[in-house]
Amino acid sequence: KQEVTQIPAALSVPEGENLVLNCSFTDSAIYNLQWFRQDPGKGLTSLLLIQSSQREQTSGRLNASLDKSSGRSTLYIAASQPGDSATYLCAVGDPDKLIFGTGTRLQVFP
Amino acid sequence: NAGVTQTPKFQVLKTGQSMTLQCAQDMNHEYMSWYRQDPGMGLRLIHYSVGAGITDQGEVPNGYNVSRSTTEDFPLRLLSAAPSQTSVYFCASSSLLAGSSYEQYFGPGTRLTVT
Repeated sequence: KQEVTQIPAALSVPEGENLVLNCSFTDSAIYNLQWFRQDPGKGLTSLLLIQSSQREQTSGRLNASLDKSSGRSTLYIAASQPGDSATYLCAVGDPDKLIFGTGTRLQVFP
Repeated sequence: NAGVTQTPKFQVLKTGQSMTLQCAQDMNHEYMSWYRQDPGMGLRLIHYSVGAGITDQGEVPNGYNVSRSTTEDFPLRLLSAAPSQTSVYFCASSSLLAGSSYEQYFGPGTRLTVT
């Protein structure tokens, strides 16, 4: 059974730091991996999607990498800002269903 | 293009009551699914559908019913509400893109409290 783990569970950093969020999964036979952002009391916003054949994806200050053989993905956030404060979720699975990690709650303070 | 919409946003039920959470998407996506989100447990799949007329169970299907008569709509029915069903419910849809990729889109959620 696929299990997804995210470390750390919470992170508090000063503005401007570069940071790395980790996601690991137990079954390397994944279809894709998707990173989401969730603000308190809100829905999920897709940040990056990495196809199983890809190694990384970039969007602005965000870069996500995927290593299927080791069952790991990382989300790199460059030059963090207070507006980046949110919970970040990674999810793996099929087109019709995802298995989520429990998320990393990020706080960026001025 | 509204994306994925869910109604209601908030709902309070008494134990034993039934209700339907509505979900609709206007992106012509084949795949739709329902998740619940509970503190410390992340999002868990309740039911999903790969197309009109086809549904299947996810990780936590007990106490819930679904049907998919159209591509656009995927309602979730609570048959007899229990306090353990207090949660935030999210509907999602996705479609296969070029290159065998896909991307899941989520609705804003329904916050349900069962007393």
